[in-house]
Amino acid sequence: EDKVVQSPLSLVVHEGDTVTLNCSYEVTNFRSLLWYKQEKKAPTFLFMLTSSGIEKKSGRLSSILDKKELFSILNITATQTGDSAVYLCAVEAPGGTSYGKLTFGQGTILTVHP
Amino acid sequence: DTGVSQNPRHKITKRGQNVTFRCDPISEHNRLYWYRQTLGQGPEFLTYFQNEAQLEKSRLLSDRFSAERPKGSFSTLEIQRTEQGDSAMYLCASSFGGTYNEQFFGPGTRLTVL
Repeated sequence: EDKVVQSPLSLVVHEGDTVTLNCSYEVTNFRSLLWYKQEKKAPTFLFMLTSSGIEKKSGRLSSILDKKELFSILNITATQTGDSAVYLCAVEAPGGTSYGKLTFGQGTILTVHP
Repeated sequence: DTGVSQNPRHKITKRGQNVTFRCDPISEHNRLYWYRQTLGQGPEFLTYFQNEAQLEKSRLLSDRFSAERPKGSFSTLEIQRTEQGDSAMYLCASSFGGTYNEQFFGPGTRLTVL
């Protein structure tokens, strides 16, 4: 069974801090890893990673994938209160009769204090 | 707004009643997914459509659950004889398809079964 584990489960920081969120996975037939941000509503898409070692960047957020060690990290620099959310990691691992469903981790709850 | 939409946003029902939710995907997307999310957990896959064909169903989807996508556009998810354990957020996502599969989520329908 495919498995995605995120750590830490929760994190409390102050504005301006830098945070690193971790996602490890055990899946067969890995295709891609996705990061989402969820703020009391539906997850919003952040990044899709398919290749090892290539950093994806969007403003203060960046992410990288290591397919050998089976993990990804999401970095947020100069955190702001608006970054407070649950960050979800998901893996797509099609195979057999699976056509691209996502398997999610349990999420990391990030709280940024002013 | 050209994103994924879901109706209703909230549904409160009594145990034993039937409920139906609707999802309208992004118009050019041919793949549509249903997920269920309970408090403190990441979304769990329920079922997947490519156009009008339902290609995969999770073991989570008991025979009380049925989903359709009759013309390959909107989709409905029906739960018959609801139970308190069905209380959750039901999320719909869509994607364009192809090799890589960024899924975009709707706002969800929050179901409460009393």
